[in-house]
Amino acid sequence: DIQMTQSPSSLSASVGDRVTISCRASQSIITFLNWYQQKPGKAPVLLIYGASSLQSGVPSRFSGSGSGTDFTLTISSLRREDFATYYCQQSFSSPRTFGLGTTVEVK
Amino acid sequence: QVQLQESGPGLVKPSQTLSLTCTVSGGSISSGSYFWTWIRQPAGKGLEWIGRIYTSGTTNYNPSLKSRVTISIDTSKNHFSLNLSSVTAADTAVYYCAREEQQDSVALDYWGQGALVTVSS
Repeated sequence: DIQMTQSPSSLSASVGDRVTISCRASQSIITFLNWYQQKPGKAPVLLIYGASSLQSGVPSRFSGSGSGTDFTLTISSLRREDFATYYCQQSFSSPRTFGLGTTVEVK
Repeated sequence: QVQLQESGPGLVKPSQTLSLTCTVSGGSISSGSYFWTWIRQPAGKGLEWIGRIYTSGTTNYNPSLKSRVTISIDTSKNHFSLNLSSVTAADTAVYYCAREEQQDSVALDYWGQGALVTVSS
């Protein structure tokens, strides 16, 4: 199985901050990397697919980059509604695997 | 707009079989290129991929659960199902069904709201 390692596990930030979350795969997954946002009590929502493609309806302050084994999710200017947990997931091979998540908290 | 909805018992006794159904609305489960997927999330923890099924019936399972999992599909009822046998307290979780798109994103683009299943006597 491909292991997905996210860092940090949590971070504190303020509205307006630029936030960066990292995700590393245990082997190359080319660009088969997706990012999801989850709020408490809700299902995850797809933000980014293919490492850098913005899902329809997702604000442009979210962006993704990377290829191979190292990937990044960036929120350019944090808004109140962005406080949530973010997960990366590889869709290169089965079984699909997720990172353990990064919780973005209010500073 | 595609919608997915999980249904099934919220309480299952240890050693019994957990059974959930995901009903798809707003589109045919047999049209397009999609894998229909189950994911679970224990309280306060991360997401675990359980497995998936294609409309042809092809399945893939998480090796950690493979001996206990069966995913099936009923295109006439536009739903797919999860059976997890010999459950223990460790199987207590919110169970999500989701659609994995294959032609463009290869990502889980639609999710159900989730169903909490508790394993307890």
